[in-house]
Amino acid sequence: RKEVEQDPGPFNVPEGATVAFNCTYSNSASQSFFWYRQDCRKEPKLLMSVYSSGNEDGRFTAQLNRASQYISLLIRDSKLSDSATYLCVVNGPNYGQNFVFGPGTRLSVLP
Amino acid sequence: DGGITQSPKYLFRKEGQNVTLSCEQNLNHDAMYWYRQDPGQGLRLIYYSQIVNDFQKGDIAEGYSVSREKKESFPLTVTSAQKNPTAFYLCASSIASGLKEAFFGQGTRLTVV
Repeated sequence: RKEVEQDPGPFNVPEGATVAFNCTYSNSASQSFFWYRQDCRKEPKLLMSVYSSGNEDGRFTAQLNRASQYISLLIRDSKLSDSATYLCVVNGPNYGQNFVFGPGTRLSVLP
Repeated sequence: DGGITQSPKYLFRKEGQNVTLSCEQNLNHDAMYWYRQDPGQGLRLIYYSQIVNDFQKGDIAEGYSVSREKKESFPLTVTSAQKNPTAFYLCASSIASGLKEAFFGQGTRLTVV
């Protein structure tokens, strides 16, 4: 089983749609959680950290369920500029304090 | 501006040659990382360093070597022993605890010719 798993994608949605990404992680000792976005042929960039209480940044909402070892990202009112690959990332002492990346889910927002 | 800089952006290597990819950061981060990304694939950890003069192998270290003589610098050498080196190489840094996000350089795209 992979350490971090994500929806395989790709997701093709119309502008204005709401889209949800799911991620599960295997090690319950994981401590920190992040969503990154990666544009084609570019480096990953932090979208948002994920906190136990859940957090929101504009159109983006992240949730963490430690009991189920599940992380989610919701994008509301999708824009063309949201088209990218979304990476789920975890870190913790079980990984030697390294960042473990999921394979990513690609999103295409269509006009 | 604070950040992490990789060079060169594109690199071409002949088979049998060693090449070194540069990674420099001025974020005062203790931890630095090298990842490899193949087309359509996720990031795989090559080497990491949590402190100067110390580094550890990641999941795919064979055919690669690193050094960490200065806090700011973490160069990666792709040796001739790496059988399939063509890939996108990403360097990142973070505070040592991993409780805050990692910052990435712009990457080096290595092609074997």
